[in-house]
Amino acid sequence: SQTIHQWPATLVQPVGSPLSLECTVEGTSNPNLYWYRQAAGRGLQLLFYSVGIGQISSEVPQNLSASRPQDRQFILSSKKLLLSDSGFYLCASQGNLEAFFGQGTRLTVV
Amino acid sequence: QKEVEQDPGPLSVPEGAIVSLNCTYSNSAFQYFMWYRQYSRKGPELLMYTYSSGNKEDGRFTAQVDKSSKYISLFIRDSQPSDSATYLCARDAGGTSYGKLTFGQGTILTVHP
Repeated sequence: SQTIHQWPATLVQPVGSPLSLECTVEGTSNPNLYWYRQAAGRGLQLLFYSVGIGQISSEVPQNLSASRPQDRQFILSSKKLLLSDSGFYLCASQGNLEAFFGQGTRLTVV
Repeated sequence: QKEVEQDPGPLSVPEGAIVSLNCTYSNSAFQYFMWYRQYSRKGPELLMYTYSSGNKEDGRFTAQVDKSSKYISLFIRDSQPSDSATYLCARDAGGTSYGKLTFGQGTILTVHP
């Protein structure tokens, strides 16, 4: 099975500061990769997905961007964080009918 | 209307009870349905998946899909305190959208000894 590494686990950032969350995948090659956000009391919302290096699709308009510089590396970024960017961010890799999730990053924008 | 609707609970049951978790969905094109379990401050992990309709059983867990009523269920028999978690239903539309999951809100379950 796959292992998804995500860091940091928690992050507190001021409004207007930049953001970079990194995700790396082990145990597979050329995976489909996903960034989800989970707000309190809500399910997971798909933000971005990538089917290969340099290929990014955005699912919802937002203040964030994603990049995939390497096959098993997926990065979530922002130039200037908003309060509404607070949430639990999860990176996932698609297996055969199963998505493997990282342990998440809890981001609090203050 | 949300594509996948799930009652967020919370749901509290005594140990040994049978738990029924439910979701409804709106798009008939959905093909794969999953149940994920998420412990506090952790990423979700797949419990079960089903395709199309019918039942699937795995130990104490049974997943059920009723396509005519667009209803998916997860039953937990002989519930244990270790089952306390948030349970998320999800669908995968398959085809060109394969791998892009739509989740319900999640139901918070507490099993008390």
